Amino acid sequence: KAGVTQTPRYLIKTRGQQVTLSCSPISGHRSVSWYQQTPGQGLQFLFEYFSETQRNKGNFPGRFSGRQFSNSRSEMNVSTLELGDSALYLCASSPAGDRGNSPLHFGNGTRLTVT
Amino acid sequence: TQLLEQSPQFLSIQEGENLTVYCNSSSVFSSLQWYRQEPGEGPVLLVTVVTGGEVKKLKRLTFQFGDARKDSSLHITAAQPGDTGLYLCAGRGGGADGLTFGKGTHLIIQP
Repeated sequence: KAGVTQTPRYLIKTRGQQVTLSCSPISGHRSVSWYQQTPGQGLQFLFEYFSETQRNKGNFPGRFSGRQFSNSRSEMNVSTLELGDSALYLCASSPAGDRGNSPLHFGNGTRLTVT
Repeated sequence: TQLLEQSPQFLSIQEGENLTVYCNSSSVFSSLQWYRQEPGEGPVLLVTVVTGGEVKKLKRLTFQFGDARKDSSLHITAAQPGDTGLYLCAGRGGGADGLTFGKGTHLIIQP
């Protein structure tokens, strides 16, 4: 079974630009969650999508948005990039997501650098 | 405010030694998971504990969930270089949406 695939692996953007990151979950998984990982704050929850609906949202500004398609693939968008947005963005899929104790299966992340 | 505090933040020990990593919170979690992350990769689940006082063993790794479901520990016996990595605890519930992660313990096992 293929794992969670995130593209691209690396991205360099300039302040003020916007960026879109992509995540393909494990086949059959309907929940996709996004996390931001930085050395200072660790992993922080961005949002979770389940069957194309945003089910939960973390404490991030509205510049961070996402969506999920009917095939469960998900995209995350960050607009008006700031230097502080530089981070590893991790996507995780699970069968049930925030319901129950389903483990999260993480991709290897997209490393975003904002200059 | 970090809901889950992990300690120590960094730990470097010799192969064969034992170690314990702690994950503490003032909040109650319905379940707690431990993940290990290696450089350039995403975290990988090691274990999920759901019952207060629960103890789970995975080869040389022993995980314990506190009776009040506010804390957990990971004990590694006879550590090996392959145990090197970032160990993360993550709690579900605690008044927050999604999975709440601690900042992790960077573990280095020197041969």
